[in-house]
Amino acid sequence: GQNIDQPTEMTATEGAIVQINCTYQTSGFNGLFWYQQHAGEAPTFLSYNVLDGLEEKGRFSSFLSRSKGYSYLLLKELQMKDSASYLCAVIDSNYQLIWGAGTKLIIKP
Amino acid sequence: DAMVIQNPRYQVTQFGKPVTLSCSQTLNHNVMYWYQQKSSQAPKLLFHYYDKDFNNEADTPDNFQSRRPNTSFCFLDIRSPGLGDAAMYLCATSRDRGADEQFFGPGTRLTVL
Repeated sequence: GQNIDQPTEMTATEGAIVQINCTYQTSGFNGLFWYQQHAGEAPTFLSYNVLDGLEEKGRFSSFLSRSKGYSYLLLKELQMKDSASYLCAVIDSNYQLIWGAGTKLIIKP
Repeated sequence: DAMVIQNPRYQVTQFGKPVTLSCSQTLNHNVMYWYQQKSSQAPKLLFHYYDKDFNNEADTPDNFQSRRPNTSFCFLDIRSPGLGDAAMYLCATSRDRGADEQFFGPGTRLTVL
């Protein structure tokens, strides 16, 4: 079967750095997305990785290792508004998007 | 601004009473998706349209139907809502299938009494 694993919940302090991990086992791989979802709102796109390595975009970076079936989202200089769920999603060989259940990130002052 | 719009944002219906949720997009994207998302769970794809080509997920109940009368609009019909259908329903679009980013509407939160 296809599976995406993320921690259910993480807590971090305002101004700090947090890394949210995602491991996946899918039938094929055609890319990995990270989405941010605030409570009661729709997901919004953060990043897309298809090649190994680190993609940096402002305070957010996303890393991919295809050989390990592993990605992480790195958030720097945390702000209270970063409190949200972070969803990892993988495109499989049939170009279906397989979603993780998301990691709820709680930011404390 | 180009966007994905969903109406209504909140919908209350009674057990067994049909309900229709709507989605429109100004992005002129080929693909439109309907997802069901329950609290603290991953979005679950119900079906998608690639242009006029309808694609139903194997485990989507027959109770859920969809229509796409034109490129801009897509509807989700729930013929006989049950208590288990209470959820957030998300409409999304993408330019093409596969590796294209999906753009989401704000969602419709459905309550079934």
